[in-house]
Amino acid sequence: GNSVTQMEGPVTLSEEAFLTINCTYTATGYPSLFWYVQYPGEGLQLLLKATKADDKGSNKGFEATYRKETTSFHLEKGSVQVSDSAVYFCALRNYGGSQGNLIFGKGTKLSVKP
Amino acid sequence: DSGVTQTPKHLITATGQRVTLRCSPRSGDLSVYWYQQSLDQGLQFLIHYYNGEERAKGNILERFSAQQFPDLHSELNLSSLELGDSALYFCASSAVKGIGDYGYTFGSGTRLTVV
Repeated sequence: GNSVTQMEGPVTLSEEAFLTINCTYTATGYPSLFWYVQYPGEGLQLLLKATKADDKGSNKGFEATYRKETTSFHLEKGSVQVSDSAVYFCALRNYGGSQGNLIFGKGTKLSVKP
Repeated sequence: DSGVTQTPKHLITATGQRVTLRCSPRSGDLSVYWYQQSLDQGLQFLIHYYNGEERAKGNILERFSAQQFPDLHSELNLSSLELGDSALYFCASSAVKGIGDYGYTFGSGTRLTVV
């Protein structure tokens, strides 16, 4: 079946540090991959996406590259800010057998200290 | 404001009771998805409706049901509530089923507390 595994948190970084949140997936076919962010007390917001192998999604300084050979979609940011503190979810969408619903990882909580 | 409206924002009810959660999708979106978010289970897909028809079911309990109305708003009904049903319930909408991959737009959720 389809599944997403992401690194467990919480992750605590100092401002301006480099961020990597690992995400790997299992899926048949060619899923689309997403990163969502959830700020405290809010719903999930789409951060970035990639729909085919070797695509790079980017937004607000965050990047992730769709690596089919390693079934990964790791999230990176070169210099985090306090305002990046949130929970980050990796997700896949596979139209093959699931009617297109998003399957999420368990989320990684990021705390950035000044 | 994402354009997806969920009401109520908070709900406290007793075990055994029934509640209805409401979702209005973003204007023009035909698909509505319901998810349950709890600390131990993460985000679990419950059910998907497209233009009034049920399209997919996930880990939805038999005590739970949903529907999507002609005006495209959706309701999630939870009955015979148990303490373990306490969670955040999110609704999300997307434009067209299976076309263009722009993911979902999420509402801000309904926090259900069963006491």
